[in-house]
Amino acid sequence: AQKITQTQPGMFVQEKEAVTLDCTYDTSDQSYGLFWYKQPSSGEMIFLIYQGSYDEQNATEGRYSLNFQKARKSANLVISASQLGDSAMYFCAMSLYNQGGKLIFGQGTELSVKP
Amino acid sequence: SQTIHQWPATLVQPVGSPLSLECTVEGTSNPNLYWYRQAAGRGLQLLFYSVGIGQISSEVPQNLSASRPQDRQFILSSKKLLLSDSGFYLCAWSPPYGTSRGDTQYFGPGTRLTVL
Repeated sequence: AQKITQTQPGMFVQEKEAVTLDCTYDTSDQSYGLFWYKQPSSGEMIFLIYQGSYDEQNATEGRYSLNFQKARKSANLVISASQLGDSAMYFCAMSLYNQGGKLIFGQGTELSVKP
Repeated sequence: SQTIHQWPATLVQPVGSPLSLECTVEGTSNPNLYWYRQAAGRGLQLLFYSVGIGQISSEVPQNLSASRPQDRQFILSSKKLLLSDSGFYLCAWSPPYGTSRGDTQYFGPGTRLTVL
């Protein structure tokens, strides 16, 4: 069965430092997408970064990078130079291409950035 | 650019009352549309998705239903709300298949529903 696991319920990081949020996934499909979303206290889900299963290079979007290790089925999010505004819930998700593109979400990691 | 709207933003309803949540997308055609629910402190659970007008797929048996009367309009309904229907409801859209990064989903601001 397809599943996303985020083992860190909460994380703290000092402002301006880098932080890695862990995500592992389980699927027998060969074609899938991996996503990270940010959810601030307002509730809106903000798309951060995407990695396709056939992409050989790790995705990067500004201060966000996705450390994709296909053999280990991990898709960790790295945030460089943390800012106070990065404090939020972060969700890892997997898209199933053969099931209407629906997303399966992990339980999330709450990140707190300390000044 | 594309935008997605949801209303109402918050809703308090008594048990047994009907429900109608609306989601509309602007700036794109033939989007895939999704309804998710998020319980407090949890991840999102897909409820319904639609790849076209009148085409609805249900993921979870429940007393909710969805309809897509127009290309860019997606409605979540219930005839009689239950206490367990409380939660945060998010609508999302993605470009139709075949476009680059066609499966990236973009979310609306959500509706917070409390059933008393």
